[in-house]
Amino acid sequence: GAVVSQHPSRVICKSGTSVKIECRSLDFQATTMFWYRQFPKQSLMLMATSNEGSKATYEQGVEKDKFLINHASLTLSTLTVTSAHPEDSSFYICSARDWIEGTQYFGPGTRLLVL
Amino acid sequence: ELKVEQNPLFLSMQEGKNYTIYCNYSTTSDRLYWYRQDPGKSLESLFVLLSNGAVKQEGRLMASLDTKARLSTLHITAAVHDLSATYFCAVEIDMRFGAGTRLTVKP
Repeated sequence: GAVVSQHPSRVICKSGTSVKIECRSLDFQATTMFWYRQFPKQSLMLMATSNEGSKATYEQGVEKDKFLINHASLTLSTLTVTSAHPEDSSFYICSARDWIEGTQYFGPGTRLLVL
Repeated sequence: ELKVEQNPLFLSMQEGKNYTIYCNYSTTSDRLYWYRQDPGKSLESLFVLLSNGAVKQEGRLMASLDTKARLSTLHITAAVHDLSATYFCAVEIDMRFGAGTRLTVKP
């Protein structure tokens, strides 16, 4: 079945550094990928919609200069958290839409801890 | 702005009992998703409902969609402990999620 991978699965970084998270669709092509953030015991909050070959669409309140999204190919999107701060610590989940089936598949998530 | 509302947010069930989780949304959509999330894990896809009147069943879970009422339900039959998790609905447009229903099944 379709699989979406994320790397890394866990990352700890120091405040002020940048962290890149990769999201890959492994056996299908995804014209659209979504990035979510989830705080403990809360729902998923959509951060941005990433379309291959174009700029990401950010949700209101999400700083595009802080959360850089690149969707360079039909199987890869990256989220870079720049100048990370402790309040950026969260569970980041990506999803990818199979452009043929239209079905949404979720990655396993990346747990970020900023010290 | 699309709003997706789930209720209840917390559900404590006894084993063997039936219950229903509701998902209301504010904008027309023909596709609705149900997901399960276990603590510390990502989302597991349960159902994709593609059209008005769609009904899907898997084991003790059954989901339905009424696009005219903008309502989806997730019905749990004869709950067992393994069903304890958080359940989310999400609407196709923007893939916005409901707040989630934290389900606990007690013996």
